[in-house]
Amino acid sequence: QKEVEQDPGPLSVPEGAIVSLNCTYSNSAFQYFMWYRQYSRKGPELLMYTYSSGNKEDGRFTAQVDKSSKYISLFIRDSQPSDSATYLCAMIPEADYKLSFGAGTTVTVRA
Amino acid sequence: KAGVTQTPRYLIKTRGQQVTLSCSPISGHRSVSWYQQTPGQGLQFLFEYFSETQRNKGNFPGRFSGRQFSNSRSEMNVSTLELGDSALYLCASSFGASSGNTIYFGEGSWLTVV
Repeated sequence: QKEVEQDPGPLSVPEGAIVSLNCTYSNSAFQYFMWYRQYSRKGPELLMYTYSSGNKEDGRFTAQVDKSSKYISLFIRDSQPSDSATYLCAMIPEADYKLSFGAGTTVTVRA
Repeated sequence: KAGVTQTPRYLIKTRGQQVTLSCSPISGHRSVSWYQQTPGQGLQFLFEYFSETQRNKGNFPGRFSGRQFSNSRSEMNVSTLELGDSALYLCASSFGASSGNTIYFGEGSWLTVV
């Protein structure tokens, strides 16, 4: 079993829809949770960063962390074709410097 | 502010050769880490350096090595290349003094081994 599980999709939604992405993990030591967006043939771009449990909102993006369930989510409101990309969840334990990634979910927003 | 810079962006090597990839972190960042990304395995951690010291290493063979210089720039080297080493190699940087600093990635170096 992988340390971080993420459904690879692909996920296709119409423009304006809410995109819901999630990851589950097994290592209870994870404390820092990130979402990255990666366009084709580009490096991952940091979207959201959350420490421990809770919600964080930034524009159209909302990240949620539920440590009791070992479950994190990313919601994209009013999705745009420019949101079409692969979304990677990543997490890191306290006092560690190694990111553990999910497999990435490929999202297509149809105009 | 300039981001993480990786060179070269694309390269093709022959089996058995070696390759060196370079990374310049964001100004002020002292931690540099390297990841390998392949379609089959996803993103896998190679190693991390802070102030010229390797603090963490992933599960890769000894053919993969790295170093960090006093100006925080880093290089990674892969010797005796194999076809399976074809991948996107990503460098990431952070302030790094403690864990939990936000980590930013470069655009990567695409390595093809033929």
